[in-house]
Amino acid sequence: GAGVSQSPSNKVTEKGKDVELRCDPISGHTALYWYRQSLGQGLEFLIYFQGNSAPDKSGLPSDRFSAERTGGSVSTLTIQRTQQEDSAVYLCASSPNMGGLGTEAFFGQGTRLTVV
Amino acid sequence: AQSVTQLGSHVSVSEGALVLLRCNYSSSVPPYLFWYVQYPNQGLQLLLKYTSAATLVKGINGFEAEFKKSETSFHLTKPSAHMSDAAEYFCAVSDYSGNTPLVFGKGTRLSVIA
Repeated sequence: GAGVSQSPSNKVTEKGKDVELRCDPISGHTALYWYRQSLGQGLEFLIYFQGNSAPDKSGLPSDRFSAERTGGSVSTLTIQRTQQEDSAVYLCASSPNMGGLGTEAFFGQGTRLTVV
Repeated sequence: AQSVTQLGSHVSVSEGALVLLRCNYSSSVPPYLFWYVQYPNQGLQLLLKYTSAATLVKGINGFEAEFKKSETSFHLTKPSAHMSDAAEYFCAVSDYSGNTPLVFGKGTRLSVIA
C-alpha cells in the first residue's frame, strides 16, 4: 500500500543545468499531476496525464519544462537550463480518476529544488 | 475554465474559537470541490470533498464544509480551533468528467493562538 513516491526529496543544482524529477504514482491510478509550490503562490498546475489521452500541458511555464509518463506509470519532469526562479517544491499527485466518484488526488512529499 | 479564490492568505484565531476559511469557485459545469491540508513540513492530505451528494460535508479532525451553489462557495469551518489545526489549507475544484485537472486556490495559512 505505498503512496506516491517522489525522488529526490531535495535537489540543489547550478543555474543552467538540467534536472530530472521522478514520480512513482499509486499503482493502478490512471491520472497523474505535477504541481509547483512556491512561497505565497499556492499550488501552480503544471501538467496532467490521464490514461492514454494526450497530456494537458497548459500549465507548463516555458518550453524549458517537459514531462513524460512511461507505460502509464512512472513520470519524469525535466527542467532544462534551470533558472533561479525555478526554485520551488515540485509536487506529484495521482488519482484513480473514477469519474463519478470524484477525482481525489493523493500527493507525494515533493521534491525541493534549489537553483544556485 | 475552473478557478478557485481563497479569501485571506492568513487567518489567525484563538484556541477554542470558530475557524472559518473562505473558498469561492467558478465552474461552467457541476463541480467537485475539495479541501486539502498541509501541516508544516508535510505533504498535502485530503480533509474533505463534495461530490454532489449531501451539501454539508464532514471531514477529518472536526472540519466541515457546506456547498452553496447560489453563492458559489465552499467555506471550511470548525467550531473550536485546536493548536494542532495550525497549517496551510487549500481549496480545489475539478469536475465530474475527470478530463480536467484539479485547480487549487493560493491557500490560507491558519494560525492558532493559545
